[in-house]
Amino acid sequence: DTGVSQDPRHKITKRGQNVTFRCDPISEHNRLYWYRQTLGQGPEFLTYFQNEAQLEKSRLLSDRFSAERPKGSFSTLEIQRTEQGDSAMYLCASSPDGFSTDTQYFGPGTRLTVL
Amino acid sequence: LAKTTQPISMDSYEGQEVNITCSHNNIATNDYITWYQQFPSQGPRFIIQGYKTKVTNEVASLFIPADRKSSTLSLPRVSLSDTAVYYCLVGDSGSGNTPLVFGKGTRLSVIA
Repeated sequence: DTGVSQDPRHKITKRGQNVTFRCDPISEHNRLYWYRQTLGQGPEFLTYFQNEAQLEKSRLLSDRFSAERPKGSFSTLEIQRTEQGDSAMYLCASSPDGFSTDTQYFGPGTRLTVL
Repeated sequence: LAKTTQPISMDSYEGQEVNITCSHNNIATNDYITWYQQFPSQGPRFIIQGYKTKVTNEVASLFIPADRKSSTLSLPRVSLSDTAVYYCLVGDSGSGNTPLVFGKGTRLSVIA
């Protein structure tokens, strides 16, 4: 257990539905990252926050995706109008102040299946 | 970011030493080399990080030659529980400053 928690662990939804995932980072960590991982691939970056500010978004993050981190604590990732191609593991990670040798601590992930 | 190349998969028997080599020919002067481990249905976990020569911790050793164009992760006396995917990452921030860039990793299977 790294101290990063994600909820739910599994989500099955029908195409076209909206889903929301939550990530609770390690409490003193300022940076929070979202990644997506499909079968047989390494995790791919989606977006990240420094406190409550969203600093970068990947091209993978289409306009159906939105992420928030109110008050710089937990974060949510919402996918609207889900598609079968959204089926993946969604991983959250956090790190402290962002020094070059800091590591990122990953949560267990939320596995999304879109039927 | 420097591109990395590592074997897709490796097999080993329990008790053997496993060495996974990663090539990163375009590594920049201020790049660190970081390895992560990922078990099925879990997020990646940091194993070890280095800049040059040799780094050792309780889990693994990391060997980096003088030209830094490759690195070798060494796992001593592997057990079945070391079966996982191992990722080599190279970047100017080590890992904390910017998003991580993962390749496909090396799938290690440890056989009894």
